Amino acid sequence: EIVMTQSPATLSVSPGERATLSCRASQGVGSNLAWFLQKPGQSPRLLIYGASTRAPGIPARFSGSGSGTEFTLTISSLQSEDFAVYYCQHYNDWSPTFGGGTKVEIK
Amino acid sequence: QVQLVESGGGLVKPGGSLRLSCVGSGFTFKNYFLSWIRQAPGKGLEWISFLSGSSSYTHSADSVKGRFTISRDNAKNSLYLQMNNLRAEDTAIYYCARVFCSGGVCRMQNYFDSWGHGTLVTVSS
Repeated sequence: EIVMTQSPATLSVSPGERATLSCRASQGVGSNLAWFLQKPGQSPRLLIYGASTRAPGIPARFSGSGSGTEFTLTISSLQSEDFAVYYCQHYNDWSPTFGGGTKVEIK
Repeated sequence: QVQLVESGGGLVKPGGSLRLSCVGSGFTFKNYFLSWIRQAPGKGLEWISFLSGSSSYTHSADSVKGRFTISRDNAKNSLYLQMNNLRAEDTAIYYCARVFCSGGVCRMQNYFDSWGHGTLVTVSS
């Protein structure tokens, strides 16, 4: 099983500031990586797939980068609706796994 | 638009059984791989099981193999999860999710592009 590790567990950021979230895979997954956002009481929402492609309707302030084992999600200027938990997930094989999540909270 | 609606959750005793359902709409249901994913209270996401559009291909996580069975009825646009021998650690919100399909090529190894709202399963005596 490929283990996905996200850091930090919690990120305190002020509105308007930049947030950088990391995700590491225990073995290479190519670009087969997705990012999701989950707000309390809601189901996850797809943000990024293919490591760097924004899903339909996702604002340009969200960007993804990386390949292999190291990935980054950047939110260029945090809006109030962006404070939530973010998960990375690989789909490189038949057993997808998720990272433990990064909670982005208001500083 | 794409919609997935789960139902069937509830309170069940350890060792008991439950059957979850997920009804899809807004897309050609029979073409897509679908999956069940769960989230224990306050915890992260755990993929459980995949099933292909024709039910020919399936794959499940070791944590549920032999206890949970995924199936579907394309005539009813429905996906199911039969859960037997439930344990306290199976307590979670269970989500139904669609696997993205590109240009008519649908494969298990792709991202989850749509999720249902989830249904809560609580295993407790």
